[in-house]
This record gives sequence, structure tokens and C-alpha cells, in this order.
Amino acid sequence: LAKTTQPISMDSYEGQEVNITCSHNNIATNDYITWYQQFPSQGPRFIIQGYKTKVTNEVASLFIPADRKSSTLSLPRVSLSDTAVYYCLVFGGNTGKLIFGQGTTLQVKP
Amino acid sequence: DVKVTQSSRYLVKRTGEKVFLECVQDMDHENMFWYRQDPGLGLRLIYFSYDVKMKEKGDIPEGYSVSREKKERFSLILESASTNQTSMYLCASSRSGVPLNTEAFFGQGTRLTVV
Repeated sequence: LAKTTQPISMDSYEGQEVNITCSHNNIATNDYITWYQQFPSQGPRFIIQGYKTKVTNEVASLFIPADRKSSTLSLPRVSLSDTAVYYCLVFGGNTGKLIFGQGTTLQVKP
Repeated sequence: DVKVTQSSRYLVKRTGEKVFLECVQDMDHENMFWYRQDPGLGLRLIYFSYDVKMKEKGDIPEGYSVSREKKERFSLILESASTNQTSMYLCASSRSGVPLNTEAFFGQGTRLTVV
């Protein structure tokens, strides 16, 4: 399974755009890049997934360059309620075995 | 909506007890997982099951076993609870097949305290 590296923590202010970058240098051809969000005392929640280029949904955007060795989760105009831990997973294959890293703790300040 | 239900939100057990944590999902998912989460250590996979009666060890299986007799139910068993197993335990499920299997649904968690 490809190993991911992401910052341990980030701070931001309400209304700003937040970009969290994840590096995955040994990503395999069939790997997908997936991001989860976890609020305190809750289980993680799937937010977005992509294979290449750009993916956007109602929560976030995911930017993946052509070499796929990194990806960036973009949260537009964050609010206090976006304070959470964000996990980047690189996953492929048919086993379904999801391995989480330590994640990035995002603190949004007023 | 997918629902993953864990049998207890909070649990207190004594050292040496045999402990069962139950998880049920209602979306006919093939894959089920048990994780534990500790401050500063993130989510660590204990066991994974991809079908009834099938299981794979995760990163930290020592001291745990699992049972999956029915597709919707995945049990985590602590054979002899120890204080270092005090933790938040999270169950999850997902469909099989890429890329559907990258989207897991989590239960609310069981906070287990072993005294």
C-alpha cells in the first residue's frame, strides 16, 4: 500500500480557502486518492475521491497533478465547523483494506 | 442512508475479562473493518473482513480476534482485556470493487475503558 505524508496540523481563519497537500510518491497505477474528515468523538466521513486531474463536489475540491505523486484537498471559505482531522488515503486493488495515516488537524479560528 | 451501528457507546470492563464489541451494517456491504483510535496515533486497523467467515489481520491484531458469521455483523473480541486496550473502537463497512471500496461508512464508536 502506498504511504502518504501530510502535515500534522494547520491553522486557518474563517472565510479563507484551505489547501492540504498529501504526498504519495510510490502511488501505483490502479490507486485512487481518497480524503476523509473526522470531527471529535465521531467516526471519519468520506468527503472526496479522485484518480487524476480535478474533482469537485459540494464539500471540497481535489487537485491531482499529472504525475499523481501528490494531491491537494481544497476547502473553500472555511468556517469554524470545518475544524477537524483530514485524512489522505491512497488505495487500490480489490481487497478493500483501508489504511489511515495520522491525518492533518485543521484548526479554523474566528 | 447507510447505517453502521455499534452495540455500545461506552463500555467499562475489568482486566482479564473477555469483551465483545458488536457491529451491524444495514447496506449489504461486503467489507467490514475494526479500527482503534488513540490520541496521537491516528486510526489503526485491527482486522478487516471481505466476506462472511473471511478475515485479514490489520496493523495491530495482537490481543484481538474477530468473528463474521453473517454478512451484516462483525464482532471484535478481546480475549483477555488489558489496560492498554483502553481506546476508542470504530467499526466501518464498504462495498467491494474499485473504486466503491474506497468509501467506508463508520459507526459512532465505542469508548472502551479497561480497569
